[in-house]
Amino acid sequence: KQEVTQIPAALSVPEGENLVLNCSFTDSAIYNLQWFRQDPGKGLTSLLLIQSSQREQTSGRLNASLDKSSGRSTLYIAASQPGDSATYLCAGLNTNAGKSTFGDGTTLTVKP
Amino acid sequence: DGGITQSPKYLFRKEGQNVTLSCEQNLNHDAMYWYRQDPGQGLRLIYYSQIVNDFQKGDIAEGYSVSREKKESFPLTVTSAQKNPTAFYLCASNTGERNTEAFFGQGTRLTVV
Repeated sequence: KQEVTQIPAALSVPEGENLVLNCSFTDSAIYNLQWFRQDPGKGLTSLLLIQSSQREQTSGRLNASLDKSSGRSTLYIAASQPGDSATYLCAGLNTNAGKSTFGDGTTLTVKP
Repeated sequence: DGGITQSPKYLFRKEGQNVTLSCEQNLNHDAMYWYRQDPGQGLRLIYYSQIVNDFQKGDIAEGYSVSREKKESFPLTVTSAQKNPTAFYLCASNTGERNTEAFFGQGTRLTVV
């Protein structure tokens, strides 16, 4: 059974700092890995989707990498801003029946 | 605008009542999903459907029921058998193909009173 772990559970950084969020998964048989952002009381917003054949994806200040062999993905946020404060979740789309397994998320606080 | 609409945003249930949460999508997606989120935790899969008139249990299906009579709609009923229903419920959809991006609704917060 796929297990997805996100470390750390919470992170607080000063504005302007570059940071990395980690996501690890136990089963490398995934079709893709998706990073989401969740604001308090809201749904999930898709940030980046990395296909299993890709190693990274970039969108603006965000860069996500995927290493299936080691079971790891990272989300790099450059020049963090207070507006980046949210919970970030990763999810691996498993090869069976299109089901995704989610991590518990990392809650990021960027202080002005 | 294409997207997923969940309603209501807030829902209160009395003990012993069944309630139904609505999820509608106009993305022409084949697959739809229901997740439950408890405070400080990730998402747990309740039910999912990959095609009309078919659905499968997820990891925590007990006390819940669903239907998929139309491609765009996937309502979730929280029955009285669900002993701890207070949670945030999220609906998602994707094309059902392997390299597919999932999209989420804004959620329904259910509280037992």
